[in-house]
Amino acid sequence: DAGVTQSPTHLIKTRGQQVTLRCSPISGHKSVSWYQQVLGQGPQFIFQYYEKEERGRGNFPDRFSARQFPNYSSELNVNALLLGDSALYLCASSLPSPQGRADTQYFGPGTRLTVL
Amino acid sequence: KNQVEQSPQSLIILEGKNCTLQCNYTVSPFSNLRWYKQDTGRGPVSLTIMTFSENTKSNGRYTATLDADTKQSSLHITASQLSDSASYICVVSAKNDYKLSFGAGTTVTVRA
Repeated sequence: DAGVTQSPTHLIKTRGQQVTLRCSPISGHKSVSWYQQVLGQGPQFIFQYYEKEERGRGNFPDRFSARQFPNYSSELNVNALLLGDSALYLCASSLPSPQGRADTQYFGPGTRLTVL
Repeated sequence: KNQVEQSPQSLIILEGKNCTLQCNYTVSPFSNLRWYKQDTGRGPVSLTIMTFSENTKSNGRYTATLDADTKQSSLHITASQLSDSASYICVVSAKNDYKLSFGAGTTVTVRA
């Protein structure tokens, strides 16, 4: 079985540009979460989507947005890139769960974004 | 505020030796605690998961312990191998909360 896949693996952008990152969850998983991981730190929660609805949002500015498609894949968009947005962006998928319970999340390999 | 703190920040051990990583948390009400292994530039991979009623869980050479009363967990690596070089992240979830609380991780370097 394929695990969580993310594309692209690496990306270089300049300040002010926009970027779209993509994630395909494990087959059968309906929940997708996005995390930002700055070098040397643990992942920071950005968004979680369940059944195409936003379930939660972390403490990130409105420049960050996401959506989930009918096939449960997801995109993370970041506008007006700043140098501080340089990080590893992780996508994680999980099985359907009762409302409000955290399932084991399976992480993708991440997209390394560098903003120059 | 739910927080997870890990120590040490990093450590270096010789191949074949054992080491123990620590995790303290303030997440409440507690649901479960996971240890993940993250190789450089890769996504985290789950090693163990423990609920309130479990105080130890093993996965090969990795053994995790949990003391829910003191809100502490440890990850013990036995007979380390070069492939154990990675960051180990403690992740705690609260009941009725979809969000996870991540520690900053402990970077383990195993040297021959």
